[in-house]
Amino acid sequence: NAGVMQNPRHLVRRRGQEARLRCSPMKGHSHVYWYRQLPEEGLKFMVYLQKENIIDESGMPKERFSAEFPKEGPSILRIQQVVRGDSAAYFCASSILTGRDMWTEAFFGQGTRLTVV
Amino acid sequence: DAKTTQPNSMESNEEEPVHLPCNHSTISGTDYIHWYRQLPSQGPEYVIHGLTSNVNNRMASLAIAEDRKSSTLILHRATLRDAAVYYCIRPNAGGTSYGKLTFGQGTILTVHP
Repeated sequence: NAGVMQNPRHLVRRRGQEARLRCSPMKGHSHVYWYRQLPEEGLKFMVYLQKENIIDESGMPKERFSAEFPKEGPSILRIQQVVRGDSAAYFCASSILTGRDMWTEAFFGQGTRLTVV
Repeated sequence: DAKTTQPNSMESNEEEPVHLPCNHSTISGTDYIHWYRQLPSQGPEYVIHGLTSNVNNRMASLAIAEDRKSSTLILHRATLRDAAVYYCIRPNAGGTSYGKLTFGQGTILTVHP
């Protein structure tokens, strides 16, 4: 059973371009979370999605960032018109159950390291 | 309040036990305690979690205080590969019913050969 797969592992974009980060959750997992880790900082929650639904996007920047998790295919984190401050490691995690009394661990991917030049 | 408090850094020698403390004095009765670690240039990795009683798995042990206001992650024999940032997290804090993880600064564990 493959783990959480993220691609690309490294992405270089020029300022103003779009970045698309992909995340395939573990088999059978229908809950996906995106986190961002800025250089020399801790991980920050961005968004939580279930299939075809955004449940919590409280950590998403108000502009240029969007996320989706379609019925088929990977979850996508999209950053439009990237700026240098978007350079960071973006991690995706997936889990099975989310009930308060039945929460299980989140499995993380290796991350996508975005560099904006 | 989802806050947990951990020491910024700790050091250990290889093959020795390591006790990583965490304070969570505002924890509620139904909040789980989770531990994750992040090795250099890797994504976070789940280590262990518990609610009230002590827990053991192949990676570590988790000792939870009787009043649940603190816990200790125990690595029984540290290896060089255990050098990482260790995070103590309360996933259900803040009233969420799902595993929204709030990462603090964690404890940087250095293991000396």
